[in-house]
Amino acid sequence: QQQVKQSPQSLIVQKGGISIINCAYENTAFDYFPWYQQFPGKGPALLIAIRPDVSEKKEGRFTISFNKSAKQFSLHIMDSQPGDSATYFCAASMKGGSEKLVFGKGMKLTVNP
Amino acid sequence: DVKVTQSSRYLVKRTGEKVFLECVQDMDHENMFWYRQDPGLGLRLIYFSYDVKMKEKGDIPEGYSVSREKKERFSLILESASTNQTSMYLCASRPDRVGGYTFGSGTRLTVV
Repeated sequence: QQQVKQSPQSLIVQKGGISIINCAYENTAFDYFPWYQQFPGKGPALLIAIRPDVSEKKEGRFTISFNKSAKQFSLHIMDSQPGDSATYFCAASMKGGSEKLVFGKGMKLTVNP
Repeated sequence: DVKVTQSSRYLVKRTGEKVFLECVQDMDHENMFWYRQDPGLGLRLIYFSYDVKMKEKGDIPEGYSVSREKKERFSLILESASTNQTSMYLCASRPDRVGGYTFGSGTRLTVV
């Protein structure tokens, strides 16, 4: 119930394409869903986040889509660029509980020029 | 710009040594966390702290302890390092339930 399941494990796209990363959860008490981006040799950095009261949030080329009934959320990267090549983690945290985030296992994105 | 600073980028230690990993944040955040990151396993929570001198076990606390004597500093201690503790260690902080983590750059620990 505490898990966040992320797929795929890796993805290769061409420059200009759309990258899509999916996450699913079981625990309906989760109420905060961030995405993190990690470049090699660096710590993860917060990319974008959403709460269940909205179905979509867009920041530049990055969009989170949230489906509360299916308990799924996804990250879409439009017009993918080689500089987007990184590992992406989805996460979730619960309301009323401790402050920790539960992370997916991560997805390595490679954008070919 | 807010910062989480981990004292070492790379460490090599011998089996059985006591190892200290230090983390300092300059954002006055209440919550601090230690994760380890291994290929295929993602980020696994070792310990976290929600206040000075307070700590809670995460998912994989065995072989580790922590110390938080000051709000800005959270230390991870490997009491007797073993080769299976070779990993990337990431420290993070979070102000409260609103907002995400800020991570440090990580410490890559090798135990030989």
